[in-house]
Amino acid sequence: QVQLQESGPGLVKPSETLSLTCTVSGGSISSYYWSWIRQPAGKGLEWIGRIYTSGSTNYNPSLKSRVTMSVDTSKNQFSLKLTSVTAADTAVYYCARGFGDFWGQGTLVTVSS
Amino acid sequence: EIVLTQSPGTLSLSPGERATLSCRASQSVSSSYLAWYQQKPGQAPSLLIYAASSRAIGIPDRFSGSGSGTDFTLTISRLEPEDFAVYYCQQFGSSPWTFGQGTKVEIK
Repeated sequence: QVQLQESGPGLVKPSETLSLTCTVSGGSISSYYWSWIRQPAGKGLEWIGRIYTSGSTNYNPSLKSRVTMSVDTSKNQFSLKLTSVTAADTAVYYCARGFGDFWGQGTLVTVSS
Repeated sequence: EIVLTQSPGTLSLSPGERATLSCRASQSVSSSYLAWYQQKPGQAPSLLIYAASSRAIGIPDRFSGSGSGTDFTLTISRLEPEDFAVYYCQQFGSSPWTFGQGTKVEIK
Protein backbone atom coordinates (compact mmCIF):
# COMPACT_ATOMS: atom_id res chain seq x y z
CA GLN A 1 0.00 0.00 0.00
CA VAL A 2 1.46 3.32 -1.08
CA GLN A 3 1.78 5.89 1.71
CA LEU A 4 2.64 9.57 1.45
CA GLN A 5 3.83 11.86 4.22
CA GLU A 6 4.22 15.62 4.01
CA SER A 7 6.90 17.38 6.05
CA GLY A 8 8.05 20.94 6.50
CA PRO A 9 7.64 24.05 8.63
CA GLY A 10 4.16 24.70 9.96
CA LEU A 11 4.76 28.44 10.22
CA VAL A 12 6.14 30.69 7.50
CA LYS A 13 6.56 34.45 7.62
CA PRO A 14 4.90 36.67 5.02
CA SER A 15 7.04 37.25 1.90
CA GLU A 16 9.16 34.19 2.66
CA THR A 17 9.21 30.81 0.91
CA LEU A 18 7.08 27.84 1.88
CA SER A 19 8.95 24.55 1.44
CA LEU A 20 7.38 21.12 1.79
CA THR A 21 8.56 17.60 1.04
CA CYS A 22 6.48 14.52 0.42
CA THR A 23 8.02 11.14 1.16
CA VAL A 24 6.58 8.13 -0.63
CA SER A 25 6.76 4.70 0.94
CA GLY A 26 5.37 1.29 0.06
CA GLY A 27 6.15 1.73 -3.61
CA SER A 28 8.45 3.39 -6.10
CA ILE A 29 8.08 7.02 -6.98
CA SER A 30 9.10 6.25 -10.54
CA SER A 31 6.77 6.37 -13.52
CA TYR A 32 4.02 8.35 -11.86
CA TYR A 33 2.81 11.92 -11.69
CA TRP A 34 2.83 13.42 -8.20
CA SER A 35 0.63 16.32 -7.18
CA TRP A 36 0.30 19.04 -4.59
CA ILE A 37 -3.15 20.21 -3.52
CA ARG A 38 -4.12 22.68 -0.82
CA GLN A 39 -7.21 23.46 1.21
CA PRO A 40 -7.76 26.63 3.26
CA ALA A 41 -9.66 26.05 6.47
CA GLY A 42 -13.34 25.45 5.80
CA LYS A 43 -12.91 25.77 2.04
CA GLY A 44 -12.51 23.58 -1.02
CA LEU A 45 -9.57 21.94 -2.73
CA GLU A 46 -7.13 23.77 -5.02
CA TRP A 47 -4.74 21.89 -7.29
CA ILE A 48 -1.29 23.50 -7.14
CA GLY A 49 0.47 21.40 -9.75
CA ARG A 50 2.09 18.11 -10.63
CA ILE A 51 5.50 16.70 -11.42
CA TYR A 52 6.47 13.57 -13.30
CA THR A 53 9.43 11.53 -12.18
CA SER A 54 11.32 12.75 -15.24
CA GLY A 55 11.08 16.22 -13.72
CA SER A 56 8.52 17.67 -16.11
CA THR A 57 6.02 19.92 -14.37
CA ASN A 58 2.61 21.46 -14.85
CA TYR A 59 1.45 24.23 -12.55
CA ASN A 60 -1.85 25.95 -11.88
CA PRO A 61 -1.66 29.28 -13.74
CA SER A 62 -3.00 31.03 -10.63
CA LEU A 63 0.20 30.09 -8.76
CA LYS A 64 2.64 29.42 -11.58
CA SER A 65 4.82 32.49 -11.01
CA ARG A 66 5.51 31.44 -7.41
CA VAL A 67 5.65 27.62 -7.58
CA THR A 68 8.54 25.25 -8.12
CA MET A 69 8.30 21.48 -7.81
CA SER A 70 11.15 19.01 -7.83
CA VAL A 71 11.63 15.28 -7.45
CA ASP A 72 14.39 13.16 -5.91
CA THR A 73 13.89 9.58 -7.05
CA SER A 74 16.85 8.34 -4.99
CA LYS A 75 15.02 9.39 -1.82
CA ASN A 76 11.49 8.61 -3.09
CA GLN A 77 10.60 12.23 -2.41
CA PHE A 78 9.15 15.20 -4.22
CA SER A 79 9.00 18.78 -3.07
CA LEU A 80 7.08 22.04 -3.30
CA LYS A 81 8.37 25.57 -3.00
CA LEU A 82 6.00 28.53 -2.95
CA THR A 83 7.62 31.95 -2.85
CA SER A 84 6.42 35.32 -1.57
CA VAL A 85 3.73 33.82 0.62
CA THR A 86 0.90 35.83 2.15
CA ALA A 87 -1.87 35.01 4.60
CA ALA A 88 -3.91 33.77 1.63
CA ASP A 89 -1.49 30.85 1.33
CA THR A 90 -2.43 29.55 4.78
CA ALA A 91 -3.90 26.11 4.19
CA VAL A 92 -3.56 22.39 4.68
CA TYR A 93 -1.19 21.18 1.99
CA TYR A 94 -1.60 17.66 0.64
CA CYS A 95 0.62 15.60 -1.59
CA ALA A 96 -0.98 12.93 -3.73
CA ARG A 97 -0.14 10.35 -6.34
CA GLY A 98 -1.28 11.30 -9.82
CA PHE A 99 -4.77 12.73 -9.87
CA GLY A 100 -5.36 11.58 -6.29
CA ASP A 101 -5.62 7.83 -5.84
CA PHE A 102 -3.38 8.07 -2.78
CA TRP A 103 -3.03 11.11 -0.51
CA GLY A 104 -0.86 12.17 2.37
CA GLN A 105 -2.55 13.11 5.63
CA GLY A 106 -1.88 16.80 4.97
CA THR A 107 0.13 19.41 6.80
CA LEU A 108 -1.11 22.77 8.01
CA VAL A 109 1.02 25.70 6.94
CA THR A 110 0.24 29.04 8.53
CA VAL A 111 1.61 32.27 7.11
CA SER A 112 2.05 34.76 9.91
CA SER A 113 4.68 37.02 11.36
CA GLU B 1 -10.07 26.47 -16.95
CA ILE B 2 -12.92 24.01 -16.51
CA VAL B 3 -15.22 25.08 -13.69
CA LEU B 4 -17.04 22.31 -11.86
CA THR B 5 -20.26 23.28 -10.11
CA GLN B 6 -21.65 20.86 -7.53
CA SER B 7 -25.22 20.84 -6.32
CA PRO B 8 -26.75 20.96 -3.89
CA GLY B 9 -24.35 22.65 -1.51
CA THR B 10 -25.80 20.70 1.39
CA LEU B 11 -27.94 17.58 1.37
CA SER B 12 -29.82 16.74 4.57
CA LEU B 13 -30.85 13.10 4.64
CA SER B 14 -31.46 10.27 7.06
CA PRO B 15 -29.53 6.99 7.24
CA GLY B 16 -30.97 4.53 4.76
CA GLU B 17 -32.01 7.22 2.30
CA ARG B 18 -30.65 7.68 -1.21
CA ALA B 19 -28.28 10.55 -1.96
CA THR B 20 -27.88 12.02 -5.42
CA LEU B 21 -25.05 14.53 -5.92
CA SER B 22 -24.54 16.50 -9.11
CA CYS B 23 -21.37 17.84 -10.74
CA ARG B 24 -21.72 20.05 -13.79
CA ALA B 25 -18.74 21.14 -15.89
CA SER B 26 -18.38 24.41 -17.77
CA GLN B 27 -17.15 22.44 -20.77
CA SER B 28 -17.05 18.81 -21.76
CA VAL B 29 -14.91 16.49 -19.63
CA SER B 30 -13.77 13.09 -20.84
CA SER B 31 -15.32 10.49 -18.58
CA SER B 32 -11.90 8.93 -18.18
CA TYR B 33 -10.80 11.98 -16.22
CA LEU B 34 -13.64 12.55 -13.78
CA ALA B 35 -13.27 11.47 -10.15
CA TRP B 36 -15.23 11.72 -6.92
CA TYR B 37 -13.78 11.99 -3.41
CA GLN B 38 -15.10 11.76 0.11
CA GLN B 39 -13.65 13.93 2.86
CA LYS B 40 -14.38 13.59 6.55
CA PRO B 41 -13.44 16.28 9.11
CA GLY B 42 -9.73 16.41 9.81
CA GLN B 43 -8.93 13.85 7.12
CA ALA B 44 -7.53 13.94 3.62
CA PRO B 45 -9.91 13.31 0.75
CA SER B 46 -10.16 9.68 -0.28
CA LEU B 47 -10.90 8.43 -3.76
CA LEU B 48 -14.34 6.91 -4.28
CA ILE B 49 -14.88 6.88 -8.03
CA TYR B 50 -12.59 7.34 -11.02
CA ALA B 51 -13.29 7.37 -14.73
CA ALA B 52 -16.75 8.65 -13.82
CA SER B 53 -18.13 5.25 -12.85
CA SER B 54 -15.37 2.93 -11.62
CA ARG B 55 -15.23 2.33 -7.88
CA ALA B 56 -11.85 2.60 -6.23
CA ILE B 57 -10.48 -0.39 -4.36
CA GLY B 58 -12.47 -1.17 -1.23
CA ILE B 59 -15.36 1.17 -2.00
CA PRO B 60 -18.73 -0.46 -1.28
CA ASP B 61 -21.18 -0.91 -4.11
CA ARG B 62 -23.71 1.48 -2.58
CA PHE B 63 -21.54 4.18 -4.18
CA SER B 64 -22.00 4.60 -7.91
CA GLY B 65 -21.01 7.21 -10.46
CA SER B 66 -22.51 8.04 -13.80
CA GLY B 67 -22.61 10.71 -16.46
CA SER B 68 -20.74 12.06 -19.41
CA GLY B 69 -19.89 15.29 -21.16
CA THR B 70 -20.78 18.07 -18.75
CA ASP B 71 -23.10 16.30 -16.32
CA PHE B 72 -21.96 13.74 -13.76
CA THR B 73 -23.68 12.18 -10.77
CA LEU B 74 -22.59 10.40 -7.62
CA THR B 75 -25.27 8.24 -6.05
CA ILE B 76 -25.20 6.66 -2.61
CA SER B 77 -27.98 4.10 -2.69
CA ARG B 78 -28.55 3.76 1.06
CA LEU B 79 -26.73 6.11 3.39
CA GLU B 80 -24.76 4.52 6.19
CA PRO B 81 -23.74 6.58 9.24
CA GLU B 82 -20.13 6.72 8.00
CA ASP B 83 -21.21 8.28 4.67
CA PHE B 84 -22.04 11.66 6.16
CA ALA B 85 -19.18 13.77 4.85
CA VAL B 86 -18.23 16.25 2.13
CA TYR B 87 -17.96 15.02 -1.45
CA TYR B 88 -15.91 16.59 -4.21
CA CYS B 89 -15.79 15.98 -7.93
CA GLN B 90 -12.57 16.56 -9.86
CA GLN B 91 -11.58 16.74 -13.51
CA PHE B 92 -8.02 15.95 -14.51
CA GLY B 93 -8.30 15.85 -18.27
CA SER B 94 -7.54 19.51 -18.82
CA SER B 95 -4.97 21.66 -17.08
CA PRO B 96 -5.38 23.12 -14.58
CA TRP B 97 -7.00 20.19 -12.83
CA THR B 98 -10.02 21.48 -10.94
CA PHE B 99 -12.36 20.46 -8.15
CA GLY B 100 -15.96 21.29 -7.50
CA GLN B 101 -16.74 23.30 -4.40
CA GLY B 102 -18.12 20.28 -2.60
CA THR B 103 -21.45 18.90 -1.41
CA LYS B 104 -21.94 18.30 2.28
CA VAL B 105 -24.14 15.32 3.13
CA GLU B 106 -25.43 15.86 6.63
CA ILE B 107 -27.69 13.92 8.95
CA LYS B 108 -31.26 15.19 8.91
